[in-house]
Amino acid sequence: SQQGEEDPQALSIQEGENATMNCSYKTSINNLQWYRQNSGRGLVHLILIRSNEREKHSGRLRVTLDTSKKSSSLLITASRAADTASYFCATDPNKLVFGAGTILRVKS
Amino acid sequence: GAGVSQSPRYKVAKRGQDVALRCDPISGHVSLFWYQQALGQGPEFLTYFQNEAQLDKSGLPSDRFFAERPEGSVSTLKIQRTQQEDSAVYLCASSLHRGNEKLFFGSGTQLSVL
Repeated sequence: SQQGEEDPQALSIQEGENATMNCSYKTSINNLQWYRQNSGRGLVHLILIRSNEREKHSGRLRVTLDTSKKSSSLLITASRAADTASYFCATDPNKLVFGAGTILRVKS
Repeated sequence: GAGVSQSPRYKVAKRGQDVALRCDPISGHVSLFWYQQALGQGPEFLTYFQNEAQLDKSGLPSDRFFAERPEGSVSTLKIQRTQQEDSAVYLCASSLHRGNEKLFFGSGTQLSVL
């Protein structure tokens, strides 16, 4: 069973716009990670945020974590067509458990 | 190697056939994971190795599934007497240290059982 659930299931935006994806989870965590998957490929690690952190940035990515609400959000700013992919959140504490993902399509 | 390598890339099996899927993790990576990904879904955990020790196999769906990593590097996932419901992409991932932070994934093996 999957612990994390991403929202929305699918998102379509224009190039240059920002994209926001949300993740909710059920149990206590040590960290939360976001991964990207291009069609037919493996997952690529984007960013990790620890349970004692509230916000983290990496390039055009901004991740927030609210442990009281058991939720996280991933913001991609100034999106590009190359950002088109599926995005997954993943949580521990024991084995890494992935959600079903958000499919992002960036139209040029 | 430069990344995690999986072979074969595609595998078609007849129902009842045994299959073996290979994973070459990044050299020196301690942890190795196998995941199963159905179409349109996120990866589902199968099993975890720390070096040659299989520390968690709670995700293996049945006793037809078996994984090994005898020398702490290359790993093989074996599925005996394949069923149609085994059709999925099998992903291997490795990480440098113990635990599950920052996994590096291979491109997967797409298994189709006819």
